[in-house]
Amino acid sequence: DSGVTQTPKHLITATGQRVTLRCSPRSGDLSVYWYQQSLDQGLQFLIQYYNGEERAKGNILERFSAQQFPDLHSELNLSSLELGDSALYFCASSLLPGLSQPQHFGDGTRLSIL
Amino acid sequence: AQTVTQSQPEMSVQEAETVTLSCTYDTSESDYYLFWYKQPPSRQMILVIRQEAYKQQNATENRFSVNFQKAAKSFSLKISDSQLGDAAMYFCAYRSASNSNSGYALNFGKGTSLLVTP
Repeated sequence: DSGVTQTPKHLITATGQRVTLRCSPRSGDLSVYWYQQSLDQGLQFLIQYYNGEERAKGNILERFSAQQFPDLHSELNLSSLELGDSALYFCASSLLPGLSQPQHFGDGTRLSIL
Repeated sequence: AQTVTQSQPEMSVQEAETVTLSCTYDTSESDYYLFWYKQPPSRQMILVIRQEAYKQQNATENRFSVNFQKAAKSFSLKISDSQLGDAAMYFCAYRSASNSNSGYALNFGKGTSLLVTP
C-alpha cells in the first residue's frame, strides 16, 4: 500500500461528459502529480501541484484542469470527454519536489469513454 | 526534453535465472535521478529501485540491481533469481534534479513486458 488513495477506481461515461478524479496524497506529502497512461501515448505527465499551487504542466489538454485543496487532496477535472481520453489516470505524491525521494503512486482511476 | 528509450518491448526469463532490461536516456543535465518502476497486472506502479546520477556506485535492492553508465547514458536493470511474481511491465523513468519546465515530473520509457516461465 503506497498510502496514496485515488477514487473512483473505475469510471464509465459517455463522450461530451465531465468527470472529476480525486487523489489523497500520502500523509505528510505536499506535492501531487497527475499522470495519464494510455496504449498509444504511454505514461505521460499532466500536471504538478505543491502545497496548493500549480508548479509544472506537462501534456495536459485545455479541456483538463486540476487543483490542490488546503487539505492537500487534489482533483483532476476532465471535460468534453472524447473517446481518446479513455486511459488509466495516476496520481503520485512526494514530500517535497526536488528531493531525491521518489514519487509514490496510487492505484489509478480507469476511465472508459463509451 | 529528456527522452527515455526502452528498446525491448518484451523479454522472457525462466524462473531462478537472471535477466537484464535495457534503458537509455538523452539529457544535457549533469544531475538527475533514474528509477525503475514495476507495473504488475494489478496495474499498481511500484518503485523497484532508484539511482542518483551523482553517485558512481550502482544501486541494489535485494535481487534487483542496476548498471548505471553515466557517460553512455545507460541504466539497465538486472533481476537475479527471477520469480513468477516478477512478471510485470517494467518502466524506466528519468527525473531532473533541477526545477525545469516539467518541474520534477517523471519522464517514462514505453516499458518492457517481462514474462517469467516456470
